[in-house]
Amino acid sequence: QKEVEQDPGPLSVPEGAIVSLNCTYSNSAFQYFMWYRQYSRKGPELLMYTYSSGNKEDGRFTAQVDKSSKYISLFIRDSQPSDSATYLCAMRGNNAGNMLTFGGGTRLMVKP
Amino acid sequence: EPEVTQTPSHQVTQMGQEVILRCVPISNHLYFYWYRQILGQKVEFLVSFYNNEISEKSEIFDDQFSVERPDGSNFTLKIRSTKLEDSAMYFCASSDRVGAFFGQGTRLTVV
Repeated sequence: QKEVEQDPGPLSVPEGAIVSLNCTYSNSAFQYFMWYRQYSRKGPELLMYTYSSGNKEDGRFTAQVDKSSKYISLFIRDSQPSDSATYLCAMRGNNAGNMLTFGGGTRLMVKP
Repeated sequence: EPEVTQTPSHQVTQMGQEVILRCVPISNHLYFYWYRQILGQKVEFLVSFYNNEISEKSEIFDDQFSVERPDGSNFTLKIRSTKLEDSAMYFCASSDRVGAFFGQGTRLTVV
């Protein structure tokens, strides 16, 4: 079983739709959960991070973590064509210097 | 807004040559990392660096790789004798306590 699994997509939605992106993981030591956005041939851009279980909202983005199910989600409300990118989940243990383990990314296309 | 900067943006090198990839992390960050991404594949961890020493490294980070923080601002990744399979995007990242911020990457092409 891969440590972090993410549906590769592509996920195609119309502008204004609510988008749901998800990851599952197997390592119960993961405590910090991040979402990154990556445009083609660019570096990952940190969108949000969450510690342990719970929800976090930032503008149009909401991150959810369910540690009991080892399942994390990112919701994007009122999606825009500029949201079209690959979304990567990443997670790490409790120590600040721990390595990030990435999912393979979900490619999102928001059509005008 | 502070950012991680990497140079060069693209490097082409012949197999067997040494390359040095350079990074300037965000100034008040304490943790530094190198990751790589082969085209179409996952972002993979190479090495982390804290307090002037390697704190964690992956199986990919073998004896051909080394890292240095020579002057308190730059952070470098050296590949001693490049192989074709080293062709990838190499990302430097730095972190405060929680989030890791990535540079735009160096695309390394080994021919």
